[in-house]
Order: sequence, then structure tokens, then C-alpha cells
Amino acid sequence: DTGVSQDPRHKITKRGQNVTFRCDPISEHNRLYWYRQTLGQGPEFLTYFQNEAQLEKSRLLSDRFSAERPKGSFSTLEIQRTEQGDSAMYLCASSSEERVNTEAFFGQGTRLTVV
Amino acid sequence: DAKTTQPPSMDCAEGRAANLPCNHSTISGNEYVYWYRQIHSQGPQYIIHGLKNNETNEMASLIITEDRKSSTLILPHATLRDTAVYYCIVRARTGNQFYFGTGTSLTVIP
Repeated sequence: DTGVSQDPRHKITKRGQNVTFRCDPISEHNRLYWYRQTLGQGPEFLTYFQNEAQLEKSRLLSDRFSAERPKGSFSTLEIQRTEQGDSAMYLCASSSEERVNTEAFFGQGTRLTVV
Repeated sequence: DAKTTQPPSMDCAEGRAANLPCNHSTISGNEYVYWYRQIHSQGPQYIIHGLKNNETNEMASLIITEDRKSSTLILPHATLRDTAVYYCIVRARTGNQFYFGTGTSLTVIP
């Protein structure tokens, strides 16, 4: 399967700890997106990359959050000093802006629980 | 990106067509209409998208009104596995984020 892959699928952490999630996009997709989804809500945009450049960040992305895509392939999302309010599903998606069809494909997400 | 309005929930009998409406009255000329769905605890799944012509693929049909201010996603023969939250999104082809909103929760009833 060559879809978007996210790791881990589930993460339980204590408040105050740092966590890091990984996303492997579809090969050759130049755009990569991070979203957050809380219970009963639609996915909310956090940030996106075009190749290795981070082009847009939502105001939801506080200073405790940092995302990287160092070689324009996989990406990591780190949350420092986690808070209970960070508990959510973190979704990654990728797309190609160089093709006719530019729909984004999503991974299965990483569910974070902060206790 | 333009916002969309969808009913919060709908029911459909198994085997019947499910027609999910979406209003996007402020859509711009270069914005496409995308539909995604999300089955519980999974990532959103792309269904279909279109600009102004009606579109059909193996999953669904998309009907866009002539003035492009609204659209309807049609699942021709709904099954229990089509129970999900359906999101209508408008976005320029090379736009930035996909804005999801709260979608329509479709329940297919046996």
C-alpha cells in the first residue's frame, strides 16, 4: 500500500512530556498537511509544507508545536510540554500540486491522549 | 476559501440513493468543490471533486448547479458501510488548506 502512513497510531503521555509524530506521505507528493481533530469536530488545519518549506501555520499551532519536513519527504510534528487540551487525533495528508488532480489523501491519524 | 453549509445529519435506507446537499453561495470562479467522508476513528477519505460539470466515479456522483452556488453528492445505492460524516469543501485547485467544517453525519438504516 502506498498511501499516507502515520506513526504511532496511538500515544498516551503524561502532561508535561514531549511527543513526536511521524508522517510518510505518498511518494512524490510535494505537499504535506497536518490537521488536528477533536471529538465531534471536523479536522482543523495546523500547517502545511510544499517540499521542505513550511508555507502556512494556523494560529492553532502554538509555540509548543513544531513541524518539520527536512528533505521534502517525511514530516514530524512535535508537541512540547503537552497539556490535556492537546488530546486529539492528529492527521497528516499529502497532495501533488503538479498534477491535474490535486485532492489530498489522508493517513489514519495518531490519537494522542494526555493524562 | 469559501465556507460551506451542510445539514448536520441525514438518514437513508439501505439500497436507496443518498443525496447529500451542500450550499457554497460565495464560491469563487477558480474554486473546486471537493467531497470527503470520514468513517469513525479513521482518516478522511477522498470521494470526488468538480469545478462546474457533473462528475461521476466508482464511489459517487457530484451534481453542481449551473450557478455553482450549491451541489449534491449522490451515493446511488447506499450500504451500511457508507455510514460516515461527509464533508463538502470548496478550494482553489492550488489553494492552501482544505477547510472541513462540521459536515453531515449520514446514517444508513437497514
